[in-house]
Amino acid sequence: GAVVSQHPSWVICKSGTSVKIECRSLDFQATTMFWYRQFPKQSLMLMATSNEGSKATYEQGVEKDKFLINHASLTLSTLTVTSAHPEDSSFYICSATRQGAGSNQPQHFGDGTRLSIL
Amino acid sequence: GDSVTQMEGPVTLSEEAFLTINCTYTATGYPSLFWYVQYPGEGLQLLLKATKADDKGSNKGFEATYRKETTSFHLEKGSVQVSDSAVYFCALMEYGNKLVFGAGTILRVKS
Repeated sequence: GAVVSQHPSWVICKSGTSVKIECRSLDFQATTMFWYRQFPKQSLMLMATSNEGSKATYEQGVEKDKFLINHASLTLSTLTVTSAHPEDSSFYICSATRQGAGSNQPQHFGDGTRLSIL
Repeated sequence: GDSVTQMEGPVTLSEEAFLTINCTYTATGYPSLFWYVQYPGEGLQLLLKATKADDKGSNKGFEATYRKETTSFHLEKGSVQVSDSAVYFCALMEYGNKLVFGAGTILRVKS
């Protein structure tokens, strides 16, 4: 159990377009989802914490108007990179924790989305 | 703030060698500790966890013991395989289910 699906797995698009990435919990309900960004050969950087039905909480230095997060249901969160530019190219990973699982429960990760902006 | 420090890689071993990847942490309270593994081009998979002092997490031959006195959570495996080649992340979770990751350690196992 605890499968998280991320889609698409790879996207290439032109500079200036907007890209939406979906994160779904397939076999559990996720109260909280997290969005990370990972640069090559580096660790994961938390971008934002997304709670179902409320506004996402962004980490310091992350532009909320650039990276739009929506968490409309207990199984789906989306990250939209608006007006993407080459510097936004990166590996984006989502994770989710189970609803009602209490504190300090493991996060279950998606397989990531590789975004390349030309 | 909370932080996690991992040994720098890459770590290169021959098949069946013993593995240790060091991990130490700094936290204000009593965090839960995790090891995640990332295979090339994929997301992270939970490898093992420990939620309190002296707990030992184990999975797939890997193990790590939560040492409060040394604030450590070193990852060990008695006999590595080529298929263990990946990036290993040590992480802690203290408040709000938010993870703090170490920098990651690349493991390369040669046949």
